[in-house]
Amino acid sequence: NAGVTQTPKFQVLKTGQSMTLQCAQDMNHEYMSWYRQDPGMGLRLIHYSVGAGITDQGEVPNGYNVSRSTTEDFPLRLLSAAPSQTSVYFCASSYLRTRDEQYFGPGTRLTVT
Amino acid sequence: AQSVTQLDSQVPVFEEAPVELRCNYSSSVSVYLFWYVQYPNQGLQLLLKYLSGSTLVESINGFEAEFNKSQTSFHLRKPSVHISDTAEYFCAVSGVRGAGNKLTFGGGTRVLVKP
Repeated sequence: NAGVTQTPKFQVLKTGQSMTLQCAQDMNHEYMSWYRQDPGMGLRLIHYSVGAGITDQGEVPNGYNVSRSTTEDFPLRLLSAAPSQTSVYFCASSYLRTRDEQYFGPGTRLTVT
Repeated sequence: AQSVTQLDSQVPVFEEAPVELRCNYSSSVSVYLFWYVQYPNQGLQLLLKYLSGSTLVESINGFEAEFNKSQTSFHLRKPSVHISDTAEYFCAVSGVRGAGNKLTFGGGTRVLVKP
């Protein structure tokens, strides 16, 4: 099993550009989520999905879109990048129960200039 | 809604010394509690979790955490640290009921183990 994979590892964008961060998992997990990690703030939930075709907003959803067309994939789209979106982004997946361990990808470090 | 406070942002400690990382939470509902560890340039990994039962939970690499409901705390301890324990540690909670496995994280505690 590859676990949770994310691409790219690093990305530099100019303000106003758009891009998609890719996330895939091969563990047949129903639940997938995106977090951003900023110094001193821990991880904050951006969007999550409880299954294909079902997504919902987390704590900091503004400026980001998601879709879930398959169980395996959960891409995160930045519509018009802003310097405030400079961060490290982590994708995570788990089974649906709230007690289950979440498996994290290696992260994407995004810089917006 | 839940919130998590990790009281120390950085903890320097000498090798073989004990360490305690403090975590307090606030929630209007029952929660599950987790500690995750992030080694340099990696994603997060589960260290241990409290779901129910014994309030003292242990990990396979010598860490333990104790759930204290009255003080709404879930402090993490290790009696003797190794250089390889250098990492950032995150306390997290999720509501027992609700959609999926939404975690609320604390701000993290960076542990630097010195020889």
